[in-house]
Parts: sequence; C-alpha cells; structure tokens
Amino acid sequence: AQSVTQLGSHVSVSEGALVLLRCNYSSSVPPYLFWYVQYPNQGLQLLLKYTSAATLVKGINGFEAEFKKSETSFHLTKPSAHMSDAAEYFCAVSVSGGTSYGKLTFGQGTILTVHP
Amino acid sequence: DSGVTQTPKHLITATGQRVTLRCSPRSGDLSVYWYQQSLDQGLQFLIQYYNGEERAKGNILERFSAQQFPDLHSELNLSSLELGDSALYFCASSVSDQSSYEQYFGPGTRLTVT
Repeated sequence: AQSVTQLGSHVSVSEGALVLLRCNYSSSVPPYLFWYVQYPNQGLQLLLKYTSAATLVKGINGFEAEFKKSETSFHLTKPSAHMSDAAEYFCAVSVSGGTSYGKLTFGQGTILTVHP
Repeated sequence: DSGVTQTPKHLITATGQRVTLRCSPRSGDLSVYWYQQSLDQGLQFLIQYYNGEERAKGNILERFSAQQFPDLHSELNLSSLELGDSALYFCASSVSDQSSYEQYFGPGTRLTVT
C-alpha cells in the first residue's frame, strides 16, 4: 500500500523568502504524485502533478516540485513567498493497477504561514 | 471554482439520524470520489464511482453508502450517525477512473453531529 509523509505540520516564512514543503512517499510501484492547496473553508485546489513525463514539475502560482526517485521525495518549492500563499498544503499519491484506480492517499498536511 | 458542486454546504443533525450528501461532477467527468476530512484522521478516501459503477472502496463504514446515478451525480448516505462522524465531506470528480488523472474537488459539506 502507498503512503505519504509530510515533514513539518507547520512551516512559517517571511514574505519574499523561499518556501519549501517536504513530502516523502512510499510505493511499491511507480507513483503519481500531486500537491493540493486548501484555503480556509474551501475545497482542495490542484497545484501540480507528477505523472512520469518530467521530474521537475511546474504548477500554478509559481510553485514547482521535483520528483526524486532515489530519495522517494516530491518536495514543493516557491522562490518567493507571498501573503496569499498562506494556506494548508497536501501531498498525495496514487498508483495504477490493482484495485486502487484513482484513489488518492494524502499526507497529514502542512500549514504555511507567511509573515510580512 | 472547480465546477464540482456539493449540497448542502452545512448540515447539523443529531446522533442516530440519517443524512444524504449530494455531489454533481464537472461537466464531462465520469468518475466521482468521496473523501472525509477530520482533525484526527486527516483526509481519507471513502469510495469511488465511475459511470455508475463502484470502482474502489476505502475506509468507508458499513453505516455509509453511496451511489452514482445515470446523470452522473452522486449521493453519499450516512446513517445511524455518531458524534465521530462530524467532519468535512468532499466530493471530487475526474474525467477518467485512472490514477494519473487529476481530481477536482468540490467545496465540501460540513457535517456536525450533536
């Protein structure tokens, strides 16, 4: 079975600083990986996804993530934080084959706080 | 706006009762997923339907059931409600039932059981 671990339940950065949110996955087969963002009282919005086409994936709002198979990681980064980036971020994994179909397995989430 | 709609937005009910949550997928999407988000369990996959058929089942209690109708909307039925069922319930839709396709989430239904 696949799983996701997000290191750090809370991350705090200053406006303009680098954002780094960590995600490690476990899967016995090649995974598909996703980052979602959740603003207060809203649903989840897809930031980006990895489906084996390219290891460096660019998403919306200036975010990107790099798939590193050797480290089983898929960390999310943004060069310069903006106040509007404050939200909760979820890393998720899915795999093909078997009976999983499109089921997403989520990490516990990381709350990003941006200070002026 | 993801294009996925969920009703109602909020639901307050008592223990032992039964409720129905409704989801309409994005136009053209055939797959519907249900997830539960709670403080102690996080985001958990409940069940998936594709074009009216059940595709995958997760940590869904026997008191819970779902279905997808011919017009592709889906309903999640929760019965014999307990305090621990209080959570945010999300519906998501996707064009395919395959894992590589992104899922688009609705705004959720917040269920409070008193």
